[in-house]
Amino acid sequence: EPEVTQTPSHQVTQMGQEVILRCVPISNHLYFYWYRQILGQKVEFLVSFYNNEISEKSEIFDDQFSVERPDGSNFTLKIRSTKLEDSAMYFCASSFGHRRGGTEAFFGQGTRLTVV
Amino acid sequence: QKEVEQNSGPLSVPEGAIASLNCTYSDRGSQSFFWYRQYSGKSPELIMSIYSNGDKEDGRFTAQLNKASQYVSLLIRDSQPSDSATYLCAVTLPSGNTPLVFGKGTRLSVIA
Repeated sequence: EPEVTQTPSHQVTQMGQEVILRCVPISNHLYFYWYRQILGQKVEFLVSFYNNEISEKSEIFDDQFSVERPDGSNFTLKIRSTKLEDSAMYFCASSFGHRRGGTEAFFGQGTRLTVV
Repeated sequence: QKEVEQNSGPLSVPEGAIASLNCTYSDRGSQSFFWYRQYSGKSPELIMSIYSNGDKEDGRFTAQLNKASQYVSLLIRDSQPSDSATYLCAVTLPSGNTPLVFGKGTRLSVIA
């Protein structure tokens, strides 16, 4: 069964360093998302991506964040200068999109980012 | 402000019983509704989607939607210890593929 895959599963980084989180969405999906979940809190939307551009972003997704689809399969989230409060689980998700008959979003297994 | 509210629980039910999980949402324009299951330390796993008023059944799971009351629920029949997890309610707006807005989740504990 197709699935969203994320790497790495766990990343430890020093405050101020740049990190890149990687995702391979389900191959025939058109919409890609990044969400995060701080420990003990709810899942929060960061950004959505469609047709090679950002379609929507939240207040969390400030200038420190960027996304890219460098090739036909990968989807990346970059945090330029990490802060302690960026420590969270980061989830990538993908969906067909409503025009293809379903808006269900499927999540990857997540990357636990720890900023020290 | 789009809000999705869930009772955080824990909701404890005996094995074999029906677990009833509830969710309310604030944005009357919400059109798509989802239930995800999340085991501790894991990612959300989609278990049900519902778009129209009424009931939708899939195996032991039934989702119920009442748009007039802005209420969506999930029933789990014949609950098993493996159902013990946090259940997340999520909604989207009708326009395009707006992102999911999640509730905080209800922790379900099924006691053997």
